Amino acid sequence: KAGVTQTPRYLIKTRGQQVTLSCSPISGHRSVSWYQQTPGQGLQFLFEYFSETQRNKGNFPGRFSGRQFSNSRSEMNVSTLELGDSALYLCASSADRGRETQYFGPGTRLLVL
Amino acid sequence: DAKTTQPPSMDCAEGRAANLPCNHSTISGNEYVYWYRQIHSQGPQYIIHGLKNNETNEMASLIITEDRKSSTLILPHATLRDTAVYYCIVWGSTGANSKLTFGKGITLSVRP
Repeated sequence: KAGVTQTPRYLIKTRGQQVTLSCSPISGHRSVSWYQQTPGQGLQFLFEYFSETQRNKGNFPGRFSGRQFSNSRSEMNVSTLELGDSALYLCASSADRGRETQYFGPGTRLLVL
Repeated sequence: DAKTTQPPSMDCAEGRAANLPCNHSTISGNEYVYWYRQIHSQGPQYIIHGLKNNETNEMASLIITEDRKSSTLILPHATLRDTAVYYCIVWGSTGANSKLTFGKGITLSVRP
């Protein structure tokens, strides 16, 4: 089975722009979670989608949003980028929300200049 | 906040067993112990998990104490490619809260 894939792998943006990141879960997995990882804050939970519905959300501002499609693929969007948004963005998929092991993708490295 | 405590770092010689400890004294009855590792700038890789009994797979063994307040991840024959940050996580089996809470982890350095 193919693992979790994320695109793009690397991205450079400037302050004020917006960005959309994509995540394709493992085939058959219906839950997708997003995390932000920075050297200072470590790995922090952004949100989780299950069957196209956001079921859990972390403590991030409304500039961070996401969605999930009927094929379980997910996107996250960050609007009005700030320098502090530079991070590794990770998505993880699991077969069923909250009950199964989460498998992570390789991440998208975002640099905001 | 992370519910686990790990030493910040440890090292071991290549070919020897690496024993990574983790304390989780406030673990609840329905919470599993999970281990992930992260090699620099890559996504975390799932290693193993367990509830009460010791577990073994092709990557590692997990030893959980009888009171479940601590556990040890064992890499039986460490290689240079095992150099990574290892995260011990406790996580409920119910669907109420699906987020994983990562602490700082333990940095394992495998020396030649």
